Parts: sequence; C-alpha cells; structure tokens
Amino acid sequence: SQQGEEDPQALSIQEGENATMNCSYKTSINNLQWYRQNSGRGLVHLILIRSNEREKHSGRLRVTLDTSKKSSSLLITASRAADTASYFCATDAGGSNYKLTFGKGTLLTVNP
Amino acid sequence: DAGITQSPRHKVTETGTPVTLRCHQTENHRYMYWYRQDPGHGLRLIHYSYGVKDTDKGEVSDGYSVSRSKTEDFLLTLESATSSQTSVYFCAISDSNSGRGNEQFFGPGTRLTVL
Repeated sequence: SQQGEEDPQALSIQEGENATMNCSYKTSINNLQWYRQNSGRGLVHLILIRSNEREKHSGRLRVTLDTSKKSSSLLITASRAADTASYFCATDAGGSNYKLTFGKGTLLTVNP
Repeated sequence: DAGITQSPRHKVTETGTPVTLRCHQTENHRYMYWYRQDPGHGLRLIHYSYGVKDTDKGEVSDGYSVSRSKTEDFLLTLESATSSQTSVYFCAISDSNSGRGNEQFFGPGTRLTVL
C-alpha cells in the first residue's frame, strides 16, 4: 500500500509564483525524501529530511516535516517553467535494506 | 548523473512470452531496486537486492523474478508476460555508505507493452 500521499494531485501556477505540495504518510519514518520526474524520464532526488529535523532548505526548495501530523510539505519559491514536472514524496520506514515507499505524485505545471 | 543504464528502453511483446529487463550500474552501489510506474499508482516496488545473490520481494512481486549474479547487474524477468504487466519499469540504486541516507538514483526507464 502507498505510504505517502501527495496533495494536490495537480497544480498549475504562473512563473514567479510559489508552489506548495503536501505529503501525508501513515507510519513512523526514519526520513522522508522528495523526488522530481520530468516527463518520460527517471526520478531525480531533490532533498531528504530526517525524522528529527523540522525544516530543510536547498536553493529554492524548502521542506518541512511534522512527525506529529505525519505530514511534509515541499515549497518551490519563484517557480520557473523548467520546474514543470511531477513531484513525489518517498518515506523510509527504517530497516536495513533502505527501501522507500513512494506516493502517487503531484503534477506541477508552471506557465510562462 | 549516476551511471545507471536500462535495456531495452522500449519493448513490445506478446502475452505469454518471457521478458528480461536489465539494469546495469557503474557506481558499485550495494542496493538495487526494480519499480513499476503506472498511472494512478505512482511507483511500486517489485523486487530489490541488498547484495550479490541477495534479493527480496517488494510490494508487487507476483509474476516477476530477479537475479543478481554480480554487483553491477540486476535482471528483472517476467516469466510469462501478461497485459497487466504493461508498464514503465525503473531501476534504482542506493549506497548505504554515502553518508546521505538512502537517496536513490534512478535509471531512464523501460517502457514495456504486452499485447
């Protein structure tokens, strides 16, 4: 079963606006990761936040994690047309084999 | 970019035929994973490997088998392909010693169509 569920399923914004995507999960986690997928390509890792962290930044990306609510958000600031992609959260529930459980993704469209 | 290749990139086959997909890495990463991606389902783990000849089942393993005879290659076999296995298949790798946690690096994908 899916661990992470992204919300919204699709998001359309104008260039320069901020985009916020949310992820909810069900069980305790070791860390949560966000990935990006351009159409027809493989996934690319964006950022990882550990369970003892509350916020993390990387360039125009800001990720928050609320373990009490079992939720995370990904904020992309000052979006660009090149940010158009699907974004997935993935949870690591711990264990020795580093398995991730992916959500169904949010399709972000940034209009020029 | 991580050195991961998948072959073939596209394949059309008929129901009942065996199919083998190959994932090849040049990163010497210990962990390798096979996922399938379908509309409305996101990515689902089929099988994974935690070392040479060490493999285990994922969430949707029925109808699939895997083998890993050397570090760099992870094969996914559909013994008798069915239309429900039409999908895009992704291989991923991960390195437990990277210090960055279990970040996964993905291959370009194989689009498989079973007629």
